[in-house]
Amino acid sequence: RKEVEQDPGPFNVPEGATVAFNCTYSNSASQSFFWYRQDCRKEPKLLMSVYSSGNEDGRFTAQLNRASQYISLLIRDSKLSDSATYLCVVNRYTNAGKSTFGDGTTLTVKP
Amino acid sequence: NAGVTQTPKFQVLKTGQSMTLQCAQDMNHEYMSWYRQDPGMGLRLIHYSVGAGITDQGEVPNGYNVSRSTTEDFPLRLLSAAPSQTSVYFCASSRDRASYGYTFGSGTRLTVV
Repeated sequence: RKEVEQDPGPFNVPEGATVAFNCTYSNSASQSFFWYRQDCRKEPKLLMSVYSSGNEDGRFTAQLNRASQYISLLIRDSKLSDSATYLCVVNRYTNAGKSTFGDGTTLTVKP
Repeated sequence: NAGVTQTPKFQVLKTGQSMTLQCAQDMNHEYMSWYRQDPGMGLRLIHYSVGAGITDQGEVPNGYNVSRSTTEDFPLRLLSAAPSQTSVYFCASSRDRASYGYTFGSGTRLTVV
């Protein structure tokens, strides 16, 4: 079993839809979490950190569920420009220098 | 502020050749790392460094060397290129990866024939 798992999708949604991605992690010692966005043939770019209390940035909401060991990303009012692959990242402080990336979930927003 | 700069953007090598992928950051980040990204396999850590003079192996280090003589630079050396090293390589840096995440370079697309 991979340490970090994501549903690869693809998720195909119409403009204006709300879509949610989950990312599960296996190591309970994991302590910090992030979502990245990667456009085709481009580098990953940090989208947002994920805090225990949940956090929101415009149309994006990230949440952490430590008991069930997953993080989620909710995108409201999807735009065509949201089409990308979304990567989750998990860090363990005891694993100095090593972050674990999920393989990514692909989102396509259609007109 | 250039961020993380990788060169070259594209490279074709013949099997057995060696080369160095360059990575430089101007953000005074202590942490730097190299990843490779292959279809269906996500990002895999090759080597990383937590500061000048300190490097360590990631999950796929074989066939690669790194050095960190300065805070700014973290080159990745392919010792003897093999077709299995055909991939997209990303360099990343972070001030504090636990709190701030990474800034990635734009990548190097390497083909080994």
